[in-house]
Amino acid sequence: AQSVTQLGSHVSVSEGALVLLRCNYSSSVPPYLFWYVQYPNQGLQLLLKYTTGATLVKGINGFEAEFKKSETSFHLTKPSAHMSDAAEYFCAVSDWNAGNNRKLIWGLGTSLAVNP
Amino acid sequence: NAGVTQTPKFQVLKTGQSMTLQCAQDMNHEYMSWYRQDPGMGLRLIHYSVGAGITDQGEVPNGYNVSRSTTEDFPLRLLSAAPSQTSVYFCASRGGTGATETQYFGPGTRLLVL
Repeated sequence: AQSVTQLGSHVSVSEGALVLLRCNYSSSVPPYLFWYVQYPNQGLQLLLKYTTGATLVKGINGFEAEFKKSETSFHLTKPSAHMSDAAEYFCAVSDWNAGNNRKLIWGLGTSLAVNP
Repeated sequence: NAGVTQTPKFQVLKTGQSMTLQCAQDMNHEYMSWYRQDPGMGLRLIHYSVGAGITDQGEVPNGYNVSRSTTEDFPLRLLSAAPSQTSVYFCASRGGTGATETQYFGPGTRLLVL
């Protein structure tokens, strides 16, 4: 069964600093991997995803993530944090081999704070 | 497109009351789902539907009912609310396949059960 672990429930960075949010997964099949962002009092929004092909994936707002099969990781990075990046970030893996009943398996989330 | 819409945005219930959380999408997506979000517990799937007339349970279905009479609508019913159902509820629909697959979320309903 698939599972997702997000290391660090809270991450704090200074404005302009590197953002690194960690995500490790377990999957018995090649995974589809996702990062979603949730701004305060809003729903979740897709940030980026990996399905096949290039392992470095670029998303919205300057974020990117790299799929590393050997490390079973899909860490999210952004070179320079902005105050508007403060949000909750969720990593998820899809059990795509379940066909039409496939679901997203979610990590517990990482809350990112950006300090001025 | 309005995307995924949810009503109400906020609701306060007393223990034992019933209510229906509404969810609608205008993207003609077959797959829809309901999640609840609680602090430190991430998102937990309550029920999902792969098309009109077809629903199934997620990981935390107890206390909730769903139906899917149309592609557009997927209401979530609480038959007898309990304080443990205090949460934020999100409806989502899924579009695309393979590399284009994306889940779209509604803005959420905040429910307080006293």
